[in-house]
Amino acid sequence: KAGVTQTPRYLIKTRGQQVTLSCSPISGHRSVSWYQQTPGQGLQFLFEYFSETQRNKGNFPGRFSGRQFSNSRSEMNVSTLELGDSALYLCASSFLGDNSYEQYFGPGTRLTVT
Amino acid sequence: AQSVTQLGSHVSVSEGALVLLRCNYSSSVPPYLFWYVQYPNQGLQLLLKYTSAATLVKGINGFEAEFKKSETSFHLTKPSAHMSDAAEYFCAVREGNTPLVFGKGTRLSVIA
Repeated sequence: KAGVTQTPRYLIKTRGQQVTLSCSPISGHRSVSWYQQTPGQGLQFLFEYFSETQRNKGNFPGRFSGRQFSNSRSEMNVSTLELGDSALYLCASSFLGDNSYEQYFGPGTRLTVT
Repeated sequence: AQSVTQLGSHVSVSEGALVLLRCNYSSSVPPYLFWYVQYPNQGLQLLLKYTSAATLVKGINGFEAEFKKSETSFHLTKPSAHMSDAAEYFCAVREGNTPLVFGKGTRLSVIA
């Protein structure tokens, strides 16, 4: 099976712009979660989608949003970028049908805001 | 709310020596516990998980962890370190379908 894929892998944006990141989960996985990883704050949960519905949401401002499509692919959007949004954004997918609660992570998108 | 504390942001061991990475958790219900490894410029890879079955859990690459409820600990060990084990290690806790909560991570260096 192919793993979780994220595009693009690297991105440079300017303050005030918006960005969209994409995640394709493992085939058959219907849950997609997003995390932000920074040296200062570590790994922080952004949101989780299951069957096109947001199931959990972390403590991030409304500038961060996401969605999931019928094929389970997910996108996250950050509007009005700030310097502090520079981070590695990780996507993880889960099957959620076997009580294992395992999450499989993609390689991440490295976002740099200048 | 659940939380994870990883003792030691950086651990250095000699090649062939025992690896011990410490993780303590806080959870109001029986938790699911995980160890992930992250190599530079990569995502997280699951090493092992505890989901209320055996308390001694064996994972990939020779790693294992023991769930100790009385100590609220889930320390990661490997009998003999290899150079390829150098990476960042994250302990994480999850209660049911709630989001994973990660520790701050421990960077493992292996000295030849």
